[in-house]
Amino acid sequence: EAGVTQSPTHLIKTRGQQATLRCSPISGHTSVYWYQQALGLGLQFLLWYDEGEERNRGNFPPRFSGRQFPNYSSELNVNALELEDSALYLCASSTVDRGFAYEQYFGPGTRLTVT
Amino acid sequence: LAKTTQPISMDSYEGQEVNITCSHNNIATNDYITWYQQFPSQGPRFIIQGYKTKVTNEVASLFIPADRKSSTLSLPRVSLSDTAVYYCLVGSGDMRFGAGTRLTVKP
Repeated sequence: EAGVTQSPTHLIKTRGQQATLRCSPISGHTSVYWYQQALGLGLQFLLWYDEGEERNRGNFPPRFSGRQFPNYSSELNVNALELEDSALYLCASSTVDRGFAYEQYFGPGTRLTVT
Repeated sequence: LAKTTQPISMDSYEGQEVNITCSHNNIATNDYITWYQQFPSQGPRFIIQGYKTKVTNEVASLFIPADRKSSTLSLPRVSLSDTAVYYCLVGSGDMRFGAGTRLTVKP
């Protein structure tokens, strides 16, 4: 069974540009989560989508946004890129049953570099 | 969301059993406890999840006392490849990762 996939693996952008990151969850998983991990730091929760709806978002500015498609894949958009947005962006997926989200399975991440 | 507290770092030697304890005093009734392992530049990997008492799988055991205010991840006979950061999380869905415990296994 295929795991969570993310694309691209690496992305280099300049300050002020927009970045789009993509994630495909494990088949059968309806929830997708996005995290940011700056070099040497812990994971910061960004967004949680389930069944196409945004369930919650972390403490990030509105220029971080995303969506979940009918096939449960997801896209993270970062507008007006800043140097401090350089990080590893991780996507995870899980199943949800009667409101309970089970353990998350993570993808390999997209390394975003802003110059 | 319940806050968790775990040691920043731990050292061990190959072949030893390692126990990492996590405190979660304000755990809610319907919260599960989940542990993840993360290697550098990779996404975290699910290790084990439990609600109460003891859970065991092929890689670890999880001990949860009756009051559920703490939990202990037990790794039997660690090897060098178990050197990683271990995260304890409580809740479901939008879980917030703390700093984790950096385990270093020495030869």
